[in-house]
Amino acid sequence: KNEVEQSPQNLTAQEGEFITINCSYSVGISALHWLQQHPGGGIVSLFMLSSGKKKHGRLIATINIQEKHSSLHITASHPRDSAVYICAVPNYGGSQGNLIFGKGTKLSVKP
Amino acid sequence: DAGITQSPRHKVTETGTPVTLRCHQTENHRYMYWYRQDPGHGLRLIHYSYGVKDTDKGEVSDGYSVSRSKTEDFLLTLESATSSQTSVYFCAISEHRDRARKLFFGSGTQLSVL
Repeated sequence: KNEVEQSPQNLTAQEGEFITINCSYSVGISALHWLQQHPGGGIVSLFMLSSGKKKHGRLIATINIQEKHSSLHITASHPRDSAVYICAVPNYGGSQGNLIFGKGTKLSVKP
Repeated sequence: DAGITQSPRHKVTETGTPVTLRCHQTENHRYMYWYRQDPGHGLRLIHYSYGVKDTDKGEVSDGYSVSRSKTEDFLLTLESATSSQTSVYFCAISEHRDRARKLFFGSGTQLSVL
């Protein structure tokens, strides 16, 4: 079973700061997901990546397959970025199509 | 946004009563999932469906059953609710079976079992 660890658990930043959230996993994967859960509870898929880097607006996701590690970066952070960020990886050997989700990183960006 | 609707959004019920949560999609996606989210845990898979009348168990399926009689609807039933089933329940859909596929989530159902 794949294990997923996210760090930090909680993160408080000032508006404009550069933010990094980390995700490590134990078993080699085909792709990793980054999700955002808004304070109201809704969950949105941000990225799905299997190698290298992906960028969407101020969000950048990177993955190092050899080191089994991914990072989510937010440039020029804004209070509207306040949310819980979750990474997820495939659970090989588990239910078909299942993902294992990290516990999330709660980000709070202060104005 | 993907067309996924969960109902009800909030429910309070008593121990021992049956409860059914509904997930409705307008995307015609083949795969549908029910997850629960609890403090201190990541999202955990309860059951999933890979087609009409085709369902399978996830990692926390005890005490839950599901049905999918139409592509667009996936029902989660707690036959006799217990306090340990107090949780936030999310439905998700995807177009492909591959684990490297994008998931779309519903808004969640907050269930409290007293």
